[in-house]
Amino acid sequence: GAGVSQSPRYKVAKRGQDVALRCDPISGHVSLFWYQQALGQGPEFLTYFQNEAQLDKSGLPSDRFFAERPEGSVSTLKIQRTQQEDSAVYLCASSLGASGGSYNEQFFGPGTRLTVL
Amino acid sequence: AQRVTQPEKLLSVFKGAPVELKCNYSYSGSPELFWYVQYSRQRLQLLLRHISRESIKGFTADLNKGETSFHLKKPFAQEEDSAMYYCALQGGGADGLTFGKGTHLIIQP
Repeated sequence: GAGVSQSPRYKVAKRGQDVALRCDPISGHVSLFWYQQALGQGPEFLTYFQNEAQLDKSGLPSDRFFAERPEGSVSTLKIQRTQQEDSAVYLCASSLGASGGSYNEQFFGPGTRLTVL
Repeated sequence: AQRVTQPEKLLSVFKGAPVELKCNYSYSGSPELFWYVQYSRQRLQLLLRHISRESIKGFTADLNKGETSFHLKKPFAQEEDSAMYYCALQGGGADGLTFGKGTHLIIQP
């Protein structure tokens, strides 16, 4: 079956613009995660959803970052007033079960590469 | 705070030679440790996890709580092992993974 998909794959924004990044998880997966991966770094956790509930947003770097998953499936990560330091690859991952510390394999999407000029 | 350290940014070995990618972690409780791999132009994927104690593609990793390490090993490297390898930790009820910065493994023919 289809894996996690993300769109767009590439996004160029001018500083100050708002952007919206979309994630389509594997069908039926309860958990959804967003990560930010800067150049030369490992992925860093941003936020976690269990169905439509955002249970952890401790990794969001500022209030310019907002994520939602209104129907418990597709998720959107929105970045307002983008800054150059927001340039990174944004990864989405989903897992079958609920998280909360117990392990469920996370399946990653291909990522969206955001470049802020 | 939890942390994962991969001291080698780049590791180059010849085909057939042994490989060891180092990973050290900082965490006060009992973490779950993983190795993820990203082949060229492919997405990040799970290679192995310590709780399953399995060998995947000839790779093994042993959790050493005394040394807080989870090094990835393979006795005989193959060219297709060339990739980025990330060590990751999950613990304390946190839902997200904490990743290291990654090691770029290059297997020379």
